[in-house]
Amino acid sequence: QQQVKQSPQSLIVQKGGISIINCAYENTAFDYFPWYQQFPGKGPALLIAIRPDVSEKKEGRFTISFNKSAKQFSLHIMDSQPGDSATYFCAASKYNTDKLIFGTGTRLQVFP
Amino acid sequence: GAVVSQHPSWVICKSGTSVKIECRSLDFQATTMFWYRQFPKQSLMLMATSNEGSKATYEQGVEKDKFLINHASLTLSTLTVTSAHPEDSSFYICSAWKHGYTFGSGTRLTVV
Repeated sequence: QQQVKQSPQSLIVQKGGISIINCAYENTAFDYFPWYQQFPGKGPALLIAIRPDVSEKKEGRFTISFNKSAKQFSLHIMDSQPGDSATYFCAASKYNTDKLIFGTGTRLQVFP
Repeated sequence: GAVVSQHPSWVICKSGTSVKIECRSLDFQATTMFWYRQFPKQSLMLMATSNEGSKATYEQGVEKDKFLINHASLTLSTLTVTSAHPEDSSFYICSAWKHGYTFGSGTRLTVV
């Protein structure tokens, strides 16, 4: 019940396109859903996060869509750029009180 | 913003020796810090939760006598890998909560 499932495992997108990564969780006690971007040899950096009281959150080119009933959330990267090429992880936890459970990761490659 | 500093960024040690990794919260106090391990092309796996002034909580399957965690102050947690072996070679990352989980830059440990 602690798992967070993430798909796809890898994604190739052309510059300017939309990148979409999906995650599903099982534990209904989770109430904090962040997305992280990780470059090789670096720690993960927080991109954007959402709480279950809203269905969508947008920050610049990054948007999280959240479906509480389906226990799913997704990351949309608009106007994808080569600099966005990295590994993306979704995660889930109980806000501020518990450990963060990570998805399996998606390797995104954006080609010019 | 919240900054978590990790040191060293990389270390090579001989099999059988011990290595200490430091994790510091630079601009905030962290009563709880988290230690993760990441193997190449894999996700982050939580090893233990470090609690200031008390014993760490280890995840199932993590040897507490091998991975010693000390959280002696509100800004410093250390992870000591004792009697390191080549299979302990990995990327170790710490994290702390401040309006979201902030991660250190990671430590690449290579045991030869």
